[in-house]
Amino acid sequence: GAGVSQSPSNKVTEKGKDVELRCDPISGHTALYWYRQSLGQGLEFLIYFQGNSAPDKSGLPSDRFSAERTGGSVSTLTIQRTQQEDSAVYLCASSLADLRVSGRSDTQYFGPGTRLTVL
Amino acid sequence: GDSVTQMEGPVTLSEEAFLTINCTYTATGYPSLFWYVQYPGEGLQLLLKATKADDKGSNKGFEATYRKETTSFHLEKGSVQVSDSAVYFCALRVNQAGTALIFGKGTTLSVSS
Repeated sequence: GAGVSQSPSNKVTEKGKDVELRCDPISGHTALYWYRQSLGQGLEFLIYFQGNSAPDKSGLPSDRFSAERTGGSVSTLTIQRTQQEDSAVYLCASSLADLRVSGRSDTQYFGPGTRLTVL
Repeated sequence: GDSVTQMEGPVTLSEEAFLTINCTYTATGYPSLFWYVQYPGEGLQLLLKATKADDKGSNKGFEATYRKETTSFHLEKGSVQVSDSAVYFCALRVNQAGTALIFGKGTTLSVSS
């Protein structure tokens, strides 16, 4: 596809359940990012994947959150034992992230997000 | 640490009014600066960017100039339209391709006819 896609667009779950959110980045983009957008916190970085390197997990709020990226393309964000404070819009973005090509102007392109509601 | 501060909203304007949304940053080194926009019901879109001091980013009538001396990247538009109603986010990225964006809290703009 032309842009970053995410699924599902909306997810309602009960407290304590696990959820999986999916992101398909733009073809050819080596970098993939997950962010969270919530009313109280604004837009927060969660995790970043670059090629085959170990992911930067510095933004994950707790060990209930994890993510993987298979084959350098699709990524899944998993939240275990969901809590009400996990309710937010989860955004995925991708970029070329190749200094030889994009350098300082590397631009991140965002997907439409998944709205997660934990009851 | 690195951070972005932007003016609190909401900003309410009449059509054809002049718009300024202030954004200042704190960062080590020389970051790249961005404005993203989120229209109602849509995803986050890049509006404009600047990668070095004194660069001016522009798009759709919006402009922002990278001011190193004042660590600012204020967004301006000379004449807003109803269709500009959206949430605007200022962001920075430490200058290394592939690093995460650091966002401001967002400013809601509402333009009435």
